[in-house]
Amino acid sequence: GAGVSQSPRYKVAKRGQDVALRCDPISGHVSLFWYQQALGQGPEFLTYFQNEAQLDKSGLPSDRFFAERPEGSVSTLKIQRTQQEDSAVYLCASSSRLAGGDTQYFGPGTRLTVL
Amino acid sequence: GENVEQHPSTLSVQEGDSAVIKCTYSDSASNYFPWYKQELGKGPQLIIDIRSNVGEKKDQRIAVTLNKTAKHFSLHITETQPEDSAVYFCAASEGTSGTYKYIFGTGTRLKVLA
Repeated sequence: GAGVSQSPRYKVAKRGQDVALRCDPISGHVSLFWYQQALGQGPEFLTYFQNEAQLDKSGLPSDRFFAERPEGSVSTLKIQRTQQEDSAVYLCASSSRLAGGDTQYFGPGTRLTVL
Repeated sequence: GENVEQHPSTLSVQEGDSAVIKCTYSDSASNYFPWYKQELGKGPQLIIDIRSNVGEKKDQRIAVTLNKTAKHFSLHITETQPEDSAVYFCAASEGTSGTYKYIFGTGTRLKVLA
């Protein structure tokens, strides 16, 4: 079956622009996670959804970062007024069960470059 | 919160030899430990995982061991092949958060020399 998909795969933005990154999780997966991966580093947690409810946003670096999942399926990560330090790969992952240490399946990521 | 350390950061082995990557974690409540392989330009792909009620798990050439007392777990790859070359990440589920988000190690770049 289809895995997690993300779009766009690559995004170049000028500093100050707003960007929107999309994640399509595996069908039926109730849990959805966003991670940020800086070059040469491991992924770092940003936020977590259980269906449409955003239950944990403790990893969002600033109030310029906003995520939503209005219908409990597709999710969008929005970054307002992008800064150079926002340059990273943004990974989306989904899991079939409610929070409980179940396996997370990752998408290919969106590589964001802020000039 | 949870902290995960991973060693070594780079590892080169001859084809056919074994590779071992080690991780330590800090949160004794963590109960799930996945390992991911990440190739250039791709997302992390799960290769094996282990839960805290198990000490060892094996899948063909890949095995993972867990020592809960010492809070460390290791990935073992035997009979390495060139296609095993990639970056490997260990992770631990943060047991106290309720969301079971993953805390990742910093990665090990494995090179298998033909």
